[in-house]
Amino acid sequence: AQKITQTQPGMFMQEKEAVTLDCTYDTSDPSYGLFWYKQPSSGEMIFLIYQGSYDQQNATEGRYSLNFQKARKSANLVISASQLGDSAMYFCAMENFGNEKLTFGTGTRLTIIP
Amino acid sequence: ETGVTQSPTHLIKTRGQQVTLRCSSQSGHNTVSWYQQALGQGPQFIFQYYREEENGRGNFPPRFSGLQFPNYSSELNVNALELDDSALYLCASSSSFGTSGIYGKTQYFGPGTRLLVL
Repeated sequence: AQKITQTQPGMFMQEKEAVTLDCTYDTSDPSYGLFWYKQPSSGEMIFLIYQGSYDQQNATEGRYSLNFQKARKSANLVISASQLGDSAMYFCAMENFGNEKLTFGTGTRLTIIP
Repeated sequence: ETGVTQSPTHLIKTRGQQVTLRCSSQSGHNTVSWYQQALGQGPQFIFQYYREEENGRGNFPPRFSGLQFPNYSSELNVNALELDDSALYLCASSSSFGTSGIYGKTQYFGPGTRLLVL
């Protein structure tokens, strides 16, 4: 069974600072994908970034990067130069290849302070 | 390109009633998944539809059922509503065409339907 753990229920960060959101995962399947989603108060889940288990390099998408440490089963999201609009809930999720069911963590509520 | 849409946005029902939620998938996507997100929790997988057939189901009772139509839109039906069914229901679409690249299978979510059961 897959499991995602996000140990930071809430974080407050100063605007323009870099933010790291933690995510650890557990699966016995060697083929899997890891995702990060942002959920503003409106409720919509916005896809941010993806990392495949066989990818050799860490994924990057604009200000978002994923610090993938396979041996430690961690997939932390790094947001560079944080902005007020980054305030939201952030969810880490995974799927095993061939099974498109996403398993989500409990989320981290990020608040960016001016 | 049209994103995922859901209707209605909000709904209030009483215990024992039935409800139907609707989802239109993103253009070019043939797979729809439904998730339930209770307050303060992460989304939980309900089921997925691919080419009008159920393609995987989470730990939800049979009173949660669904349909997918030839245009890939989908419905989630919940019978005999219970108070614990109060949640945000999220629909996500993805494409299973081809095998090149994982981005073809990234799930894109709609804005959700907030259901309150009294």
